[in-house]
Amino acid sequence: QQQVKQSPQSLIVQKGGIPIINCAYENTAFDYFPWYQQFPGKGPALLIAIRPDVSEKKEGRFTISFNKSAKQFSLHIMDSQPGDSATYFCAARLKAAGNKLTFGGGTRVLVKP
Amino acid sequence: GAVVSQHPSWVICKSGTSVKIECRSLDFQATTMFWYRQFPKQSLMLMATSNEGSKATYEQGVEKDKFLINHASLTLSTLTVTSAHPEDSSFYICSALNRDRGSTGELFFGEGSRLTVL
Repeated sequence: QQQVKQSPQSLIVQKGGIPIINCAYENTAFDYFPWYQQFPGKGPALLIAIRPDVSEKKEGRFTISFNKSAKQFSLHIMDSQPGDSATYFCAARLKAAGNKLTFGGGTRVLVKP
Repeated sequence: GAVVSQHPSWVICKSGTSVKIECRSLDFQATTMFWYRQFPKQSLMLMATSNEGSKATYEQGVEKDKFLINHASLTLSTLTVTSAHPEDSSFYICSALNRDRGSTGELFFGEGSRLTVL
């Protein structure tokens, strides 16, 4: 019930391509879904987040699509750049459990020049 | 954005010694901080939840006596790895929940601390 499943594990795209990362969850009590970007040797940084009452959110080149009925959400990186090469984690928050975040397994994205 | 500072960013110690890692929220008060452990190419695993002024809540399988957590103020939480052994070598990351933004659930992460136990 606490799991968040993320796919794919890794992804390679050409510059300008659109990497798409998918996450699925089971617990309908999750109330907040952030995405984090992590570079090697660094802590995760919040990219964008969405609540379950919204179906899509865009911030710059990053877009979250949220399908509440399917319990799935995804991250799209538009016009990807080599600097976007990083590991991306989706997460889900359970406010009732003290705002704990449950992380997906991560997706390593490589954007080739 | 809000800043969370971790110190040290990396530490090497001998087996059997104890190591303390600090997590500070620099420009906000954090009633709750979380400590994670991350192995290479893996996701973040929550170790414990640290609440200011009270005992930490540990996740299942995490040894309380091994990983001592103290959250003495609204801006500082510490993780002490006691009697460290090579298997404790890992990347430790803290995150802090902004008290004023608690309703958004936004967590701010530190830069992580790489512990290597020889």
